[in-house]
Amino acid sequence: SAVISQKPSRDICQRGTSLTIQCQVDSQVTMMFWYRQQPGQSLTLIATANQGSEATYESGFVIDKFPISRPNLTFSTLTVSNMSPEDSSIYLCSVRQGAIGYTFGSGTRLTVV
Amino acid sequence: TQLLEQSPQFLSIQEGENLTVYCNSSSVFSSLQWYRQEPGEGPVLLVTVVTGGEVKKLKRLTFQFGDARKDSSLHITAAQPGDTGLYLCAGAQNYGQNFVFGPGTRLSVLP
Repeated sequence: SAVISQKPSRDICQRGTSLTIQCQVDSQVTMMFWYRQQPGQSLTLIATANQGSEATYESGFVIDKFPISRPNLTFSTLTVSNMSPEDSSIYLCSVRQGAIGYTFGSGTRLTVV
Repeated sequence: TQLLEQSPQFLSIQEGENLTVYCNSSSVFSSLQWYRQEPGEGPVLLVTVVTGGEVKKLKRLTFQFGDARKDSSLHITAAQPGDTGLYLCAGAQNYGQNFVFGPGTRLSVLP
């Protein structure tokens, strides 16, 4: 299965600032997924990122708040913009490989103060 | 309202005990997956089940998909501290759809 490198692994940020999270995959994949996992909660899909097109956002998530780039088939970034304490979460990138299922990065633990 | 419900929400047991956790829905799924997530890590896929009534074994873990493909269970025999983590089920109602994750069962196995 694919190997995903995600960074930073954690960060503490001031409210009102932005953080860009990077996700690098060791193989070419069509779709990459970005999830949010709030403290003690399960995973919520933020958006699906396809190379060469705009990301598809789930209900409750908007491009202005979570802009995503997908410049090639092995890389994607998620930016958390104008952060507030409510954005404190773990952010995970993921790829899906057919019957193998989803492979996840190790996550970015974001704390907004 | 969650598409997938998991129970129990929390479970703390002693090493060597057996346990079962459940994943339930009122919807039919074309496939269902179980993941384990350890602190500081992303979820790791344990199994995928696609056929109603299917049973899969992974060492001390036994997974069952309900006959109607609406529910699943995970049974762990002789639990070990290394089994500690968040167990998530995820399902897709139709082939090609994104999977939806349940709220998870947080398991703690005490030595």
